[in-house]
Amino acid sequence: TQLLEQSPQFLSIQEGENLTVYCNSSSVFSSLQWYRQEPGEGPVLLVTVVTGGEVKKLKRLTFQFGDARKDSSLHITAAQPGDTGLYLCAGEREYGNKLVFGAGTILRVKS
Amino acid sequence: EAGVTQFPSHSVIEKGQTVTLRCDPISGHDNLYWYRRVMGKEIKFLLHFVKESKQDESGMPNNRFLAERTGGTYSTLKVQPAELEDSGVYFCASSQFNFYRNEKLFFGSGTQLSVL
Repeated sequence: TQLLEQSPQFLSIQEGENLTVYCNSSSVFSSLQWYRQEPGEGPVLLVTVVTGGEVKKLKRLTFQFGDARKDSSLHITAAQPGDTGLYLCAGEREYGNKLVFGAGTILRVKS
Repeated sequence: EAGVTQFPSHSVIEKGQTVTLRCDPISGHDNLYWYRRVMGKEIKFLLHFVKESKQDESGMPNNRFLAERTGGTYSTLKVQPAELEDSGVYFCASSQFNFYRNEKLFFGSGTQLSVL
């Protein structure tokens, strides 16, 4: 049983559309991290959310941590082809960066 | 500044053979982690070093896996003997140590291991 359920698994959209990726769990996390991974590379940290209800923005990307710290979402506004990649959420259950990863969302933005 | 480097980038071995993966963390990073993604599943934690000490090795699958970090610099992960189910991508990551909060985690590009 996967601890962190990420959805959707795959998303193919047109340039300019909006999208949301979800990460859900029945467990509480001390923090939730979002990564982006390119082919042949390792995950690169986009943002860390720590406080329940926290919202962080990174240009066209908006990240939210659920009030109960069990879920998170990533919203991209006006997606661009450069946003194409694998997006991963990862929850930290205890201090020390021992992360639990979601399975990932493959995003493809067509021009 | 160099990032986390892993060697080799790809390794193809036969079942029963031994393979050693190497990770060089970012200079000055006391924390070093090994993660792996097998068979298209999610990335999973293997273990965590703080300098040369194993802080947490709860994710190591079995005693065929041995990780070392002599001198607290680079780390090696040896698989002996390798089995088919060990195939996957092995990631190394590092971060600076901060007692009060977690510092940003930097990942290497990974080693793609194929056991035939």
